[in-house]
Amino acid sequence: QQQVKQSPQSLIVQKGGIPIINCAYENTAFDYFPWYQQFPGKGPALLIAIRPDVSEKKEGRFTISFNKSAKQFSLHIMDSQPGDSATYFCAARGNTDKLIFGTGTRLQVFP
Amino acid sequence: EAGVAQSPRYKIIEKRQSVAFWCNPISGHATLYWYQQILGQGPKLLIQFQNNGVVDDSQLPKDRFSAERLKGVDSTLKIQPAKLEDSAVYLCASSLSGVANTIYFGEGSWLTVV
Repeated sequence: QQQVKQSPQSLIVQKGGIPIINCAYENTAFDYFPWYQQFPGKGPALLIAIRPDVSEKKEGRFTISFNKSAKQFSLHIMDSQPGDSATYFCAARGNTDKLIFGTGTRLQVFP
Repeated sequence: EAGVAQSPRYKIIEKRQSVAFWCNPISGHATLYWYQQILGQGPKLLIQFQNNGVVDDSQLPKDRFSAERLKGVDSTLKIQPAKLEDSAVYLCASSLSGVANTIYFGEGSWLTVV
């Protein structure tokens, strides 16, 4: 119930492609869903986040799609660039401030 | 604004030795977290503090791990005795109280147990 399942484990796209990373959760008490980006040797950094009362949120080239009934959410990266190559983690947070992470997706964007 | 500070950045110890990691959160952040990130996995919460009180330590291996945040500001995570499987990055994070507030992470302390 506390898990957040993330797929795929790795993703390779060409520059300009639109990688999509998917996450699913079980606990309906979660009410805040952030995505974190992590570069090698660095800590995770918040990329974009959504609350379940909206179905989509866009910030620059990054979009979260949220399906509350299916308990799924996904990250889309438009016009991907080599600089987007990193590991992406979805996460979920409930009323205790506890942040549960997915297992991560390693994205490689080739020129 | 200064970020979450952690030290040391890297540590190599032998099994059964002890190690301590220090974290200074962003000024004014009441909530402090310690996460363990094993290579290739997502971060796993070890302990969460609200000011100087423990909110959640359900996944902290209490026979060998301990953490404190005595004055409600900086925190120390200790491992004694270390095992090979403790090799990981130990991430400290902080946030203002409240579920919608961003959690900010430090760059981590990399531990290798040999």
